[in-house]
Amino acid sequence: QVHLVQSGAEVKRPGSSVKVSCKASGDPFSNYAVNWVRQAPGQGLEWMGMIIPISGSTNYAQKFQGRATITTDESTGTAFMELSSLTSDDTAVYYCATSGYSYGYGFPTWFDPWGQGTLVTVSS
Amino acid sequence: DIQLTQSPSFLSASVGDRVTITCRASQGIDRYLAWYQQKPGKAPKLLIYTATTLQSGVPSRFRGSGFGTEFTLTISSLQPEDFATYYCQQLTNYPITFGQGTRLEIK
Repeated sequence: QVHLVQSGAEVKRPGSSVKVSCKASGDPFSNYAVNWVRQAPGQGLEWMGMIIPISGSTNYAQKFQGRATITTDESTGTAFMELSSLTSDDTAVYYCATSGYSYGYGFPTWFDPWGQGTLVTVSS
Repeated sequence: DIQLTQSPSFLSASVGDRVTITCRASQGIDRYLAWYQQKPGKAPKLLIYTATTLQSGVPSRFRGSGFGTEFTLTISSLQPEDFATYYCQQLTNYPITFGQGTRLEIK
């Protein structure tokens, strides 16, 4: 069973970028897909995108296409999500979550487990 | 995008009550639906996947049902630790989407 530990809280200026890490222990990342989900204060869950580490293939929600970049470093078992051109609307808790991936169907399976979350605050 | 609409958005109930949360999809999603529980300040926790399968370690008082466009999560006898927010999620179309959440509070 994989266990995910995310990097610590960040405070960023508008227009800058943030890079959040998600380190896996227990099972190799290569056995899973890694998804990123964010939650603005008092709001619901929003899927940002995913990566299949074994192939490097990514899929992003259109809203984040071109602004979010999801990568992995398999040597350290760490996934990263970088978000650029930050605005106050990007203030949120960012979660990573592993899932299976159905190659025949082309979609991730259920998300489990999740990292503990990383609060990113964008403020001038 | 597939829209998931949960009802109700807010639910007040007592320990021991049976409660049902509904999740309606804007188009058919077969049985590719999951349910999550989230407590304040914590990450979501998987309860049910493929609409009806109980995740290992989740109490049997949680039950999922449905297919296509209408799904339900039923908690047969509420326990104090069940008061939380619940989300449904579809996994059959990009972008992956979640319902808006149902907040379950103690009456």
